[in-house]
Amino acid sequence: KNQVEQSPQSLIILEGKNCTLQCNYTVSPFSNLRWYKQDTGRGPVSLTIMTFSENTKSNGRYTATLDADTKQSSLHITASQLSDSASYICVVSAVEGKSTFGDGTTLTVKP
Amino acid sequence: EAGVAQSPRYKIIEKRQSVAFWCNPISGHATLYWYQQILGQGPKLLIQFQNNGVVDDSQLPKDRFSAERLKGVDSTLKIQPAKLEDSAVYLCASSHGGALHYGYTFGSGTRLTVV
Repeated sequence: KNQVEQSPQSLIILEGKNCTLQCNYTVSPFSNLRWYKQDTGRGPVSLTIMTFSENTKSNGRYTATLDADTKQSSLHITASQLSDSASYICVVSAVEGKSTFGDGTTLTVKP
Repeated sequence: EAGVAQSPRYKIIEKRQSVAFWCNPISGHATLYWYQQILGQGPKLLIQFQNNGVVDDSQLPKDRFSAERLKGVDSTLKIQPAKLEDSAVYLCASSHGGALHYGYTFGSGTRLTVV
């Protein structure tokens, strides 16, 4: 069964600090992995997409990594801002097109 | 471009009542999805349309949920009768050709509370 597990479930950091969110998956055969940011009361918005051959991809202060061998991805947020407070969802898609969503990590950035 | 529009934003109903949600996807997006997101969980696919045809409704509780996408544009999702466990955010998403290659564009969702 395809599964996506994210950790931690929730995280509280101080403004300006860095943090790393984890995503482990068992989706097969793997096609791509996306990280989404979901602000409270809004729909998820795509941050990055990574395919099998990509190890690292950046989007501003967000950097995603992918290890396809161990089936792990991470999302690193640098110099956090209050506006980074949100839920971050890892979505892994299989070759046949079905996507599996993780339950997300809720990040709270405090001043 | 305009985003995915959903209405209403909030709805409170009593159990056993019926409710309907509306979604207008991004113009030209052939694929439309309805997701259920329970508090603290990731979105769970209910149904996927390609134009006005159903691609995947394997997770849709068909005894109480129904959805249609007339003319391949707008879509409505209906629950009848509602149960307490249906309390969730219902997200509509669209994609140009399929989320595998193009990803999802989500609407802001409809938050349903069943009391």
